[in-house]
Amino acid sequence: DTAVSQTPKYLVTQMGNDKSIKCEQNLGHDTMYWYKQDSKKFLKIMFSYNNKELIINETVPNRFSPKSPDKAHLNLHINSLELGDSAVYFCASTHGGPQAPGYTFGSGTRLTVV
Amino acid sequence: AQSVTQPDIHITVSEGASLELRCNYSYGATPYLFWYVQSPGQGLQLLLKYFSGDTLVQGIKGFEAEFKRSQSSFNLRKPSVHWSDAAEYFCAVVTFSGNTPLVFGKGTRLSVIA
Repeated sequence: DTAVSQTPKYLVTQMGNDKSIKCEQNLGHDTMYWYKQDSKKFLKIMFSYNNKELIINETVPNRFSPKSPDKAHLNLHINSLELGDSAVYFCASTHGGPQAPGYTFGSGTRLTVV
Repeated sequence: AQSVTQPDIHITVSEGASLELRCNYSYGATPYLFWYVQSPGQGLQLLLKYFSGDTLVQGIKGFEAEFKRSQSSFNLRKPSVHWSDAAEYFCAVVTFSGNTPLVFGKGTRLSVIA
């Protein structure tokens, strides 16, 4: 009954490979996000989806492509992985509207590119 | 655009001592403010949040935070620190709209010594 679940938890891959990270939330939230946490622990927003539509796309390389098949899922596909992509990636979700926002985070995916 | 500053990168306190972690935000209107904690290798856990009303907010694990509009601050406090409180602490802010992503400070690492 995990609220926001990410898979895999750990991912080790070689430079140049293509990989995907999956995220699912069972909270009925309509907005989902991907954050990147770098080696200095800084959390930076990458993408935001609302009801399957992209609403925020920060300056992220085109090699990163989010996909939302439905509002409960937001996957992140990364092409041609580079060493600098090594980081922890967090998925999060929230409910929008006039009520106060509540954000729930997944446990993170630690990506290591070698 | 809103921003969050956590002036202290690293703080060391003795077990049993009091703790205050500083957070300043930059935003024109009243923001929604959050404190999250991240233990080593773990995800983000919400400690507390402020939306409106009483400016002193109680959270989990004995933490509290006080919103001071005049100082644009939302400092986190705990009267007596336990060794298990050693972690990374993040302050975050979001606008009223509810669908916008959290903007995080760079974090404060708390070390606890015997």
